Amino acid sequence: DAKTTQPPSMDCAEGRAANLPCNHSTISGNEYVYWYRQIHSQGPQYIIHGLKNNETNEMASLIITEDRKSSTLILPHATLRDTAVYYCIVRVSNTGNQFYFGTGTSLTVIP
Amino acid sequence: GAVVSQHPSRVICKSGTSVKIECRSLDFQATTMFWYRQFPKQSLMLMATSNEGSKATYEQGVEKDKFLINHASLTLSTLTVTSAHPEDSSFYICSARGVTGSYGYTFGSGTRLTVV
Repeated sequence: DAKTTQPPSMDCAEGRAANLPCNHSTISGNEYVYWYRQIHSQGPQYIIHGLKNNETNEMASLIITEDRKSSTLILPHATLRDTAVYYCIVRVSNTGNQFYFGTGTSLTVIP
Repeated sequence: GAVVSQHPSRVICKSGTSVKIECRSLDFQATTMFWYRQFPKQSLMLMATSNEGSKATYEQGVEKDKFLINHASLTLSTLTVTSAHPEDSSFYICSARGVTGSYGYTFGSGTRLTVV
C-alpha cells in the first residue's frame, strides 16, 4: 500500500471548516483513499473514502486532486467533538487487505 | 450499521498471567478480523490478521506464541496475551471485515491492558 504524509497537528476554530491535507504521491491506480478518525481511547471511526471523484457524506467531504497524489478531508462546521486524530490511508478496496495506519493529524477544535 | 464489540474494555493483570480479549461482530459475519496494538501517543500498529477457520497471519516482529489468536466462528475472534509483562501494557483494538466485503472495516472500542 502507498504511504501517506500528514501534518502532525492542526487547530481549527469551532464552527469553521477544518481542512486536513494528505499526500499520497505513490498511490497506484487501484488504491482508494480512506479517512478514519480516533477520538481519545476509542477505536477508529470510518469517515469517508474515494477513488478519484470527490465524495461527500453526512460527516465530511473528500477532495482528491486530479493526479490523485493528494487529498483533503473537509469537516464543514467543526465542533468540539471533532477533536481527534485523523488518519489518511490508501489501500486497495474490496480485498482482504489490512489497514496500515500512519501517524495521522491531531486536530484540536478550539472554542 | 455494522457493530464490533470488544470485551473487556479495561483489564489489569499480574505479570506472568494470561489475558483473553474478545472481539465480536454483533450484526454481521466477519470473515476476517484484524488485531492492532497502540502505545500511548503512537499510531495503531497491526499485529495480525485472522481468517475464520484458519491460522492467523502475524506481522513481522510479533510473537505468535505470545499473542494467541483464535477465530473459531464468523462472529468471534479472541486474542490471548500469554505470560503478560509490563511492556505488554497497551491499548488493543480489533477490526472486522464482513462477508460481503463492506467498503470500510469496523473497529471495536478497544481494550486497555495494564500489566502490574
